[in-house]
Amino acid sequence: KQEVTQIPAALSVPEGENLVLNCSFTDSAIYNLQWFRQDPGKGLTSLLLIQSSQREQTSGRLNASLDKSSGRSTLYIAASQPGDSATYLCAVPLTKDSSYKLIFGSGTRLLVRP
Amino acid sequence: DTGVSQDPRHKITKRGQNVTFRCDPISEHNRLYWYRQTLGQGPEFLTYFQNEAQLEKSRLLSDRFSAERPKGSFSTLEIQRTEQGDSAMYLCASSLALSGQPTQGTQYFGPGTRLTVL
Repeated sequence: KQEVTQIPAALSVPEGENLVLNCSFTDSAIYNLQWFRQDPGKGLTSLLLIQSSQREQTSGRLNASLDKSSGRSTLYIAASQPGDSATYLCAVPLTKDSSYKLIFGSGTRLLVRP
Repeated sequence: DTGVSQDPRHKITKRGQNVTFRCDPISEHNRLYWYRQTLGQGPEFLTYFQNEAQLEKSRLLSDRFSAERPKGSFSTLEIQRTEQGDSAMYLCASSLALSGQPTQGTQYFGPGTRLTVL
């Protein structure tokens, strides 16, 4: 059974700091991994999708890496800003039955202090 | 196209009442998913459609829940005889799955419907 864990559950950093969010999954037979951002009371915004054949993806100040063999992904945020404050979720598709339903971690709640 | 939309955004109801939510996916997307999210947790899968066919339902979806996607366009999620435990954010997502492809693209989520059962 695929399980996704995110550490830490919450993080508070001063503005300008570089930070790393961690995501681990138990079944390494994944097709891709997706990182999302969720603002309080809102839906999810897709940030990055890494296919299983890729090692990393970059979008602006965000860089996501994937190590399938160890069952880990990291989301690196450079030069953090108060506007980055949100909950960050990682998800992998449960693919054994080809449904691609996503299995989510519980998220990391990030606060960037001005 | 402005993305996935959901209506209503908020719903407050009394225990025992029926509620219905609507999701309009991105127009060219053939897959539509419903998830439920409770406070402090990640979303949990409820059900999904490939075009108009409902292909899977989670064990989380009791007999009081029903979902439809007529004509493979918008979808509705109905909860009958609501209970306080149904209070959650209900999220809809859509994606484009290509036949014969081992992977699929990004799932795009709507803003969600927050249900409060009193």
